[in-house]
Amino acid sequence: GESVGLHLPTLSVQEGDNSIINCAYSNSASDYFIWYKQESGKGPQFIIDIRSNMDKRQGQRVTVLLNKTVKHLSLQIAATQPGDSAVYFCAEREYGNKLVFGAGTILRVKS
Amino acid sequence: ETGVTQSPTHLIKTRGQQVTLRCSSQSGHNTVSWYQQALGQGPQFIFQYYREEENGRGNFPPRFSGLQFPNYSSELNVNALELDDSALYLCASSLEGSYGYTFGSGTRLTVV
Repeated sequence: GESVGLHLPTLSVQEGDNSIINCAYSNSASDYFIWYKQESGKGPQFIIDIRSNMDKRQGQRVTVLLNKTVKHLSLQIAATQPGDSAVYFCAEREYGNKLVFGAGTILRVKS
Repeated sequence: ETGVTQSPTHLIKTRGQQVTLRCSSQSGHNTVSWYQQALGQGPQFIFQYYREEENGRGNFPPRFSGLQFPNYSSELNVNALELDDSALYLCASSLEGSYGYTFGSGTRLTVV
C-alpha cells in the first residue's frame, strides 16, 4: 500500500518555543489521520486526529492542519516542554481500519 | 475504563521456535489490530480481527497468524521465528465504525 512519509527525521527546539512536525501522505482515499507520540519503551499515544472533511483541528497546546490539495499534514505544538520529547508519528487510515504509519520524527526539547 | 494490555512485555526466543503474544482489548472495543515495529521505524500493519475473523492483512507471511476470542482479547502467533522478527509487537483495539484506536505498550520480542 501507499505510505506516509515525514520530511524531518529529527527536530530540536528550545523549551517554550513552538514546534511544527510535517508529514506527507500519498493515498488520497485516506479518510482519517492521526498523530501519535511514542516514548521509549511505550506504545503510541494518541495526540490528536482529523477527518478528511476538515482542514484544522485544535486540542490542548496542539493543532493539526490538513491540506488535501498537496497531501500534507502537520502537527503544531505550542510552548514546547521537555515532556514533549519523544518520537512523533503521523498515520493515515486506509481501507477498512488499516493504519499506515510514517517512519517518525524525533522531537528533542532543549532546556 | 481499562486500556489495552499486552503480555508478556519482553520475550527472548531462539530462531525456529514459535511464539504467542497476547492482547486484552479496551473495554467496549470489538476490533483488534496487530502491528510490528522494527527499531527506528514506524509500526507496520500485520492484520486485523473483527468478530473473531481476520478482515484485513498486511504484507506478512502466513507464519504470522492470529486469533480473536469472544471477549475480544486476541493472540498473535508467529511460527518458525527468524532473526528479522525481532521487533516491538503492538496491539491496537478499536470499535468498528468509529475513529478511535488505543494501543498497548507492546511486547518486545528478541530472536537469537
